[in-house]
Amino acid sequence: GAGVSQSPSNKVTEKGKDVELRCDPISGHTALYWYRQSLGQGLEFLIYFQGNSAPDKSGLPSDRFSAERTGGSVSTLTIQRTQQEDSAVYLCASRIRGTSGTEDTQYFGPGTRLTVL
Amino acid sequence: GNSVTQMEGPVTLSEEAFLTINCTYTATGYPSLFWYVQYPGEGLQLLLKATKADDKGSNKGFEATYRKETTSFHLEKGSVQVSDSAVYFCALSFYNQGGKLIFGQGTELSVKP
Repeated sequence: GAGVSQSPSNKVTEKGKDVELRCDPISGHTALYWYRQSLGQGLEFLIYFQGNSAPDKSGLPSDRFSAERTGGSVSTLTIQRTQQEDSAVYLCASRIRGTSGTEDTQYFGPGTRLTVL
Repeated sequence: GNSVTQMEGPVTLSEEAFLTINCTYTATGYPSLFWYVQYPGEGLQLLLKATKADDKGSNKGFEATYRKETTSFHLEKGSVQVSDSAVYFCALSFYNQGGKLIFGQGTELSVKP
């Protein structure tokens, strides 16, 4: 079956512009996560969705960052008024929300490389 | 807060050498522990995991044991290959906190023939 897909794979934008990054999780996966991978900060959690709701937004670095998920499937991460420090690879992951209490594997997409000039 | 610390890289080894990458964690409670690997030009993929103390995760010749006493989850492999060259990330998560992963800083491994 298809894995997690993300688009675009690369995005170059000018400082101050808004960008939207898209994630298509694995079909049937109810949990969806966004992470950011950058040289200075490593791999950081941004936000977690269970279905369409986001019970944990604790990793969003500022109010310029927002995300939504519709239909329990596709998610969009929006960065407003981009800054150079937003340059990073943005990763999406999805997971079947298990009912037994055991951890299920998170499957990662290939990422979107964002460059802010 | 919860955190993961890995040994710094890069680590350079000759083929067939023994590999250890140290990982320790700080957490309130007993998290699940993971090793993820990122091969050059590829996405993150799960290498192995352990969900409770004394569990041993293993895959592709790699092993790691969940040590509650020392809050560690060191990655080992008896004989590395050139194809093992990658960046390795140790991570923890709590199921009752939504399962978000908290990663260490990553360790780059380079294996020379």
